[in-house]
Amino acid sequence: NAGVTQTPKFQVLKTGQSMTLQCAQDMNHEYMSWYRQDPGMGLRLIHYSVGAGITDQGEVPNGYNVSRSTTEDFPLRLLSAAPSQTSVYFCASSDSGPFFNQPQHFGDGTRLSIL
Amino acid sequence: RKEVEQDPGPFNVPEGATVAFNCTYSNSASQSFFWYRQDCRKEPKLLMSVYSSGNEDGRFTAQLNRASQYISLLIRDSKLSDSATYLCVVNMIKAAGNKLTFGGGTRVLVKP
Repeated sequence: NAGVTQTPKFQVLKTGQSMTLQCAQDMNHEYMSWYRQDPGMGLRLIHYSVGAGITDQGEVPNGYNVSRSTTEDFPLRLLSAAPSQTSVYFCASSDSGPFFNQPQHFGDGTRLSIL
Repeated sequence: RKEVEQDPGPFNVPEGATVAFNCTYSNSASQSFFWYRQDCRKEPKLLMSVYSSGNEDGRFTAQLNRASQYISLLIRDSKLSDSATYLCVVNMIKAAGNKLTFGGGTRVLVKP
């Protein structure tokens, strides 16, 4: 059971570099989201998607782009990395249904450091 | 004030003891509630949903108090393996749409 798969698990970038964090799920979930987790701040929503072709901003979207061309994949792009984006990033998916009323299934995270 | 607040702990618990902690939320229109468990440097995993009538899963009991706007988690007969951070998650209804908000987590350390 793969569930939600994130790659890479670790990444170090220099300020100004760009990169894409990959997320794929094999549960046919409509809803997918990206979070960042910083010490003492809990998880904060970056972007989310309610289905292929539909994305929307979360709480902290600045500096990130997303797209959803298929149900399975939801990549997160850092346009120009900044030290403030050093964090642990989690991708999650959930069944469709009443919005946000379904439990989230998380990938095992990407630990990103920006120098 | 944070929308979802948790005591960060740590709660130091002797093995076999009972521990309970709360999570308060600010939006009275909140619709659904969850407890997640997160081990160090791991992803959050659903522990249990919280229903209006309260619910129990083995040694874990979750309760919702809508009047006082908090949910609680009680762990009975604590095991060493219960050591983790417990995240409270609230689905809030807002004018701009629903919002899933995470608390900062309560750390529990079970010691022999």
